[in-house]
Amino acid sequence: DAGITQSPRHKVTETGTPVTLRCHQTENHRYMYWYRQDPGHGLRLIHYSYGVKDTDKGEVSDGYSVSRSKTEDFLLTLESATSSQTSVYFCAISETVDRGGTEAFFGQGTRLTVV
Amino acid sequence: RKEVEQDPGPFNVPEGATVAFNCTYSNSASQSFFWYRQDCRKEPKLLMSVYSSGNEDGRFTAQLNRASQYISLLIRDSKLSDSATYLCAVNMKNSGYALNFGKGTSLLVTP
Repeated sequence: DAGITQSPRHKVTETGTPVTLRCHQTENHRYMYWYRQDPGHGLRLIHYSYGVKDTDKGEVSDGYSVSRSKTEDFLLTLESATSSQTSVYFCAISETVDRGGTEAFFGQGTRLTVV
Repeated sequence: RKEVEQDPGPFNVPEGATVAFNCTYSNSASQSFFWYRQDCRKEPKLLMSVYSSGNEDGRFTAQLNRASQYISLLIRDSKLSDSATYLCAVNMKNSGYALNFGKGTSLLVTP
């Protein structure tokens, strides 16, 4: 258990409304990530963070912003939700392993529907 | 062309069978390789990291071929509980250890 909690787990929202998804971790990991998963596309990186206030864009960052004001929380915001942002969103952390390198572990996901 | 490619399947195999999945990647600078298992409507779970020399964990064997840029996963003596989608992942360049995922290979083990 990598101690990752996502909230909410499910959300239905209307087009044009702002939405914030939260990822909370309990083990002080430096790296955190937001992915989205869609049929036919697999998992795609939206944004990632490499420390407090340090974030960068991923492959599909348009329409999303992130913030990390504390080590344990990484927030994903959809400023104005669109139907194309209907997806399952996964938060992940990266953990250093003994042999060198890192391994990534995922939260349980947030299922977002934009109507 | 997607950076990480997998055969989507589905692979339908009887219990006890041996099944192999392959995954190709395009970035020759990639350093880290993984197999994840994902059950329906659940999060991906790390199954195995793939080491240069190949590695085994019980019924599961992973291998890396850097020259041909592919990784493989072999499952021996398949169980009904192995039914899931198997995702191949390769580290991204300059993205803080983020991963590029294949679209996944679906496995159904039947009685």
